[in-house]
Amino acid sequence: ETGVTQTPRHLVMGMTNKKSLKCEQHLGHNAMYWYKQSAKKPLELMFVYNFKEQTENNSVPSRFSPECPNSSHLFLHLHTLQPEDSALYLCASSQDRPGTGMEKYFGAGTRLSVL
Amino acid sequence: KQEVTQIPAALSVPEGENLVLNCSFTDSAIYNLQWFRQDPGKGLTSLLLIQSSQREQTSGRLNASLDKSSGRSTLYIAASQPGDSATYLCAVSAFNKLIFGAGTRLAVHP
Repeated sequence: ETGVTQTPRHLVMGMTNKKSLKCEQHLGHNAMYWYKQSAKKPLELMFVYNFKEQTENNSVPSRFSPECPNSSHLFLHLHTLQPEDSALYLCASSQDRPGTGMEKYFGAGTRLSVL
Repeated sequence: KQEVTQIPAALSVPEGENLVLNCSFTDSAIYNLQWFRQDPGKGLTSLLLIQSSQREQTSGRLNASLDKSSGRSTLYIAASQPGDSATYLCAVSAFNKLIFGAGTRLAVHP
């Protein structure tokens, strides 16, 4: 275990379903992230949260809705997804300080298949 | 816009060889560079983090170097083993944003 736990590990959903991905970090970090890894493409940053506030939305479609109720938990709510949204969704955390970039720790990911 | 390139895309070697994986980036204004390992269908495991003020980091059989001015990093793996088979990802950081390369897929055969 890396200290970042993601559930579920696998998810199959239809295009009309609503589901949520969960991420929990046990490292005491102040920043959390969602990344998307599609086949044959580099990892793409989706959202960044610092101290529960969203600081980055990398032009992500509104069918992906993040929620960060506290510094340890991050959710990604999914609705009316498309088949091209099938990918590995990775959560990460770090202890960020102004003026520096700190080491990122990743969870094992949720493998999402949209039918 | 920062772009990260990794060469080669894939590598297959016999056990015991010393390996060099390459990473290049277009914008030298980075805070740090991080190397990760990813096993098939799994998340990322951090291998080494090099701050922008550092030139190299070592962990066991792994050594990573950073030349910020030329926009390059190399990951050196000594005495490769079949258990090293995985995809190796390079990522550069500008504060809280990590920009990833596409990875090098490594296969070490006995």
